[in-house]
Amino acid sequence: NAGVMQNPRHLVRRRGQEARLRCSPMKGHSHVYWYRQLPEEGLKFMVYLQKENIIDESGMPKERFSAEFPKEGPSILRIQQVVRGDSAAYFCASSLGHPVGNEQFFGPGTRLTVL
Amino acid sequence: GEDVEQSLFLSVREGDSSVINCTYTDSSSTYLYWYKQEPGAGLQLLTYIFSNMDMKQDQRLTVLLNKKDKHLSLRIADTQTGDSAIYFCAPGGNKLTFGTGTQLKVEL
Repeated sequence: NAGVMQNPRHLVRRRGQEARLRCSPMKGHSHVYWYRQLPEEGLKFMVYLQKENIIDESGMPKERFSAEFPKEGPSILRIQQVVRGDSAAYFCASSLGHPVGNEQFFGPGTRLTVL
Repeated sequence: GEDVEQSLFLSVREGDSSVINCTYTDSSSTYLYWYKQEPGAGLQLLTYIFSNMDMKQDQRLTVLLNKKDKHLSLRIADTQTGDSAIYFCAPGGNKLTFGTGTQLKVEL
């Protein structure tokens, strides 16, 4: 059973470009979460999605960031017009969902570098 | 919002026990998780405890929860060099809150 998969593992963008980060949850998981980790810091929650629904986006910056989890395919975190401050590791996690299984399993992350 | 605090560093000798402590503010957390992060890697779920439990043991790992004081600890028995990593406690339900983590260094 493959774990949570994220791609790309490393992404380099110039200021003003768009970044698209993909996350495929564990098989059977329908809940996806995105977190951001700045250097030397813990992870900060960004958004929680179920298939075709955003459940909680309280951690998402108001502008330039968006997330989706379509009926088919991976979840996408999209950052438009990237700035240097967006450089971070972005982690995706998935779970079965409460009450069956609330444990979140993390992917290896995408390390975004903005030049 | 939730605040989570951990000591930044812990150094132990191989074979000793390690105790990593965590305090949090939100008493409504249903689950409290411990994750391990090795350099350049994602987070590995180590164990978790339900908020209505005081203790959970899982092989070399023992989790203690003091709900009254909002204090969580992770004890690693017989610590090995492979245990060197950053350890995060993460209270929460659907939305996990992480502290800055405790970097555990295991010395020979």
